[in-house]
Amino acid sequence: KQEVTQIPAALSVPEGENLVLNCSFTDSAIYNLQWFRQDPGKGLTSLLLIQSSQREQTSGRLNASLDKSSGRSTLYIAASQPGDSATYLCAVRKGGSQGNLIFGKGTKLSVKP
Amino acid sequence: NAGVMQNPRHLVRRRGQEARLRCSPMKGHSHVYWYRQLPEEGLKFMVYLQKENIIDESGMPKERFSAEFPKEGPSILRIQQVVRGDSAAYFCASSDTGDSGANVLTFGAGSRLTVL
Repeated sequence: KQEVTQIPAALSVPEGENLVLNCSFTDSAIYNLQWFRQDPGKGLTSLLLIQSSQREQTSGRLNASLDKSSGRSTLYIAASQPGDSATYLCAVRKGGSQGNLIFGKGTKLSVKP
Repeated sequence: NAGVMQNPRHLVRRRGQEARLRCSPMKGHSHVYWYRQLPEEGLKFMVYLQKENIIDESGMPKERFSAEFPKEGPSILRIQQVVRGDSAAYFCASSDTGDSGANVLTFGAGSRLTVL
């Protein structure tokens, strides 16, 4: 059974710091991995999608890496800003599944001005 | 493009009542997914539908819960005889394709159900 774990559960950093969020999954037979951002009382915003054949994806100050064999992904946020404060969710899609994403519980990030 | 629209955003029901949650997918999307987020838990997949068809309901509780996505109108998640444990945020997502490598789900803002 696929399980997704995110560490740490919460993180508080001063503005300007670079930071890394971690995601691990137990079954390496994934189709892809996706990082989302969730703001309080709002829906999820997709940040980055990494296919199983890819090693990393970048978008602006965000960089996500994937090591499928070890069951790990990291989300790197450069030069953090208070507007980055949110909960970051990692989700994997099982091979051959049709939209069934398995989510971690998230890392709640707080960036202090 | 209004994105994925869910309503109501907040719903309060007493035990034993019925809850109906609606989801209008993004324009051009014919695939709809429902997820549930219990307090302090991650999102859990419930059901995946295409127009008029349930494709995967492996995450749906066997009793009291049902979902539909008619040819016309929004997708509906229906919970009969609600209990306090049904209190959660219910998220709908849509996509324009099903099982493809570039499939990206767009999520709505969620419907928060509170059962008194």
